[in-house]
Amino acid sequence: AQTVTQSQPEMSVQEAETVTLSCTYDTSESDYYLFWYKQPPSRQMILVIRQEAYKQQNATENRFSVNFQKAAKSFSLKISDSQLGDAAMYFCAYRSPLNAGGTSYGKLTFGQGTILTVHP
Amino acid sequence: NAGVTQTPKFRVLKTGQSMTLLCAQDMNHEYMYWYRQDPGMGLRLIHYSVGEGTTAKGEVPDGYNVSRLKKQNFLLGLESAAPSQTSVYFCASSYGTRDGYTFGSGTRLTVV
Repeated sequence: AQTVTQSQPEMSVQEAETVTLSCTYDTSESDYYLFWYKQPPSRQMILVIRQEAYKQQNATENRFSVNFQKAAKSFSLKISDSQLGDAAMYFCAYRSPLNAGGTSYGKLTFGQGTILTVHP
Repeated sequence: NAGVTQTPKFRVLKTGQSMTLLCAQDMNHEYMYWYRQDPGMGLRLIHYSVGEGTTAKGEVPDGYNVSRLKKQNFLLGLESAAPSQTSVYFCASSYGTRDGYTFGSGTRLTVV
């Protein structure tokens, strides 16, 4: 079974600075997708960024970028020019399109989450 | 607005009571999921559905049942609520298995 580990329960950053959130995962599959989700105090889960395992190029979305190291099974999120609105819980997640039987059900497996605090 | 709608948003139950959480999506998504979120444990899959009329167990299915009679709706039932089921419940959906999910806004359930 796949597992996702976020080893930083909490992180903090000064406004306008850069912060990196860590994520590692364990899998024997070659075809999979990785995601970062943001959960602000409103509780809503918001997709931040998506990475396809077969693409070597790191995904970017405005101030958010990832460092995807497939061999090391590492998928970190970098937030540049941090803003107060970035304060939230961040979840790393893994999705495989296929299960062992070849029937897709595409379960997302989540890490434990990292609480990010942004200081003004 | 298109999306995933969960009802209710908050609920307090007494031990032993039953309830149903409703999830509705208007995006014609095939895949639907129910998760629970507990502190320090991330989100854990309760049940899921890969299409109308199908359901299957996830990681933590005990004490829950689901139904998907219509493609747009996915219901989560608690037959006899227990304090261990106090949690935040999320419904999510996706068109395929290579995308991220679209999440509902969650239901905070307290069982006393």
